[in-house]
Amino acid sequence: AQSVTQPDIHITVSEGASLELRCNYSYGATPYLFWYVQSPGQGLQLLLKYFSGDTLVQGIKGFEAEFKRSQSSFNLRKPSVHWSDAAEYFCAVGSYNTDKLIFGTGTRLQVFP
Amino acid sequence: GAVVSQHPSWVICKSGTSVKIECRSLDFQATTMFWYRQFPKQSLMLMATSNEGSKATYEQGVEKDKFLINHASLTLSTLTVTSAHPEDSSFYICSARDRGGSKFSGANVLTFGAGSRLTVL
Repeated sequence: AQSVTQPDIHITVSEGASLELRCNYSYGATPYLFWYVQSPGQGLQLLLKYFSGDTLVQGIKGFEAEFKRSQSSFNLRKPSVHWSDAAEYFCAVGSYNTDKLIFGTGTRLQVFP
Repeated sequence: GAVVSQHPSWVICKSGTSVKIECRSLDFQATTMFWYRQFPKQSLMLMATSNEGSKATYEQGVEKDKFLINHASLTLSTLTVTSAHPEDSSFYICSARDRGGSKFSGANVLTFGAGSRLTVL
């Protein structure tokens, strides 16, 4: 079955600390992987995506993610978190021949000053 | 960049009434639009794929007679929740794909709206 798992429902970090949000997927085809961020009451903004090539991808707002095929993972990282990063983060998987995305359940990030 | 606008951003209605939510692509033409539903503190669940000029494709378990989707133009798709009940209260989000984007990169050019929060009393 196709699925995306985000093991951490809620993460709290101090401003300036490093961050890693976990994402594991199960997908029958070659995966296209995405990270989105959602602020309260808002839609989704694409942070970064992986289709092929370099397994370390850079995104907006200083985020990066690394695709590890052997671990079926696509973890999101940021070296130094800012208070404005507090939001809900969703990992999603799709493929080359479909626009349908399967989303994880999300990780809520809280940032303390 | 590509912008998708949803209207209304929030709506409150009485049980039994119908509510229409609009999804517009503002600066591009969208062959395909998608409607998602998001319950509080949960993920997005795809409800249906809206194709311009043809019938929508609904995901398994979604009542097509309850959630009417119309995609009459390349810039507008509407979702009508008919005979709404409190359990239909949710956050509805649409996304759109630029018709200029190839299907092989389709997911690359999906743009999401800001969502519409429906509360049924």
